[in-house]
Amino acid sequence: DTEVTQTPKHLVMGMTNKKSLKCEQHMGHRAMYWYKQKAKKPPELMFVYSYEKLSINESVPSRFSPECPNSSLLNLHLHALQPEDSALYLCASSQGRHARDTQYFGPGTRLTVL
Amino acid sequence: DAKTTQPNSMESNEEEPVHLPCNHSTISGTDYIHWYRQLPSQGPEYVIHGLTSNVNNRMASLAIAEDRKSSTLILHRATLRDAAVYYCILRDGGSQGNLIFGKGTKLSVKP
Repeated sequence: DTEVTQTPKHLVMGMTNKKSLKCEQHMGHRAMYWYKQKAKKPPELMFVYSYEKLSINESVPSRFSPECPNSSLLNLHLHALQPEDSALYLCASSQGRHARDTQYFGPGTRLTVL
Repeated sequence: DAKTTQPNSMESNEEEPVHLPCNHSTISGTDYIHWYRQLPSQGPEYVIHGLTSNVNNRMASLAIAEDRKSSTLILHRATLRDAAVYYCILRDGGSQGNLIFGKGTKLSVKP
């Protein structure tokens, strides 16, 4: 099983809402990632978790708050977002963080902020 | 991370081979060459990777120049399902190299 699942598939929220994106993998991977992808642009790395600890935060605004409750789950908590945060949010996982390790991506959550 | 240069777009005919080029003139000795692709409305998908030698797998082949300053992803028989954006990415094997996506090449496949 090489599947990364993400829920929900679509999310529409207002600027005052609080919502969460969820990501799950059962491959025993110890590294998990959040990416943001705007329309017609490449994915951009947001956060990296390694062994359930946050190891990289690519200068992401605090209105995005990641959480890794256990080695299989990754959440992205959203609060007070702006319309420009509308994008496809991708989760990925890999066995480790070596450059040889393949990253497996989920299908993404398409977020619209009104 | 060292940068890569790819054509913005390419076209291919179905059932013909496709050669997708990537230039990486500033590659370092520890950089791995990775290829991912992203089909419409899907997350990126791993295709292949290599360090110095040419590589083959069930999806594609990767030909790496002797000086490693360029590489070519080869799809042996393009299908309509291969229409996607193909990303060539260098990952530093000497550190915890992240996936930094460039603009990629949008491949169109004509029936």
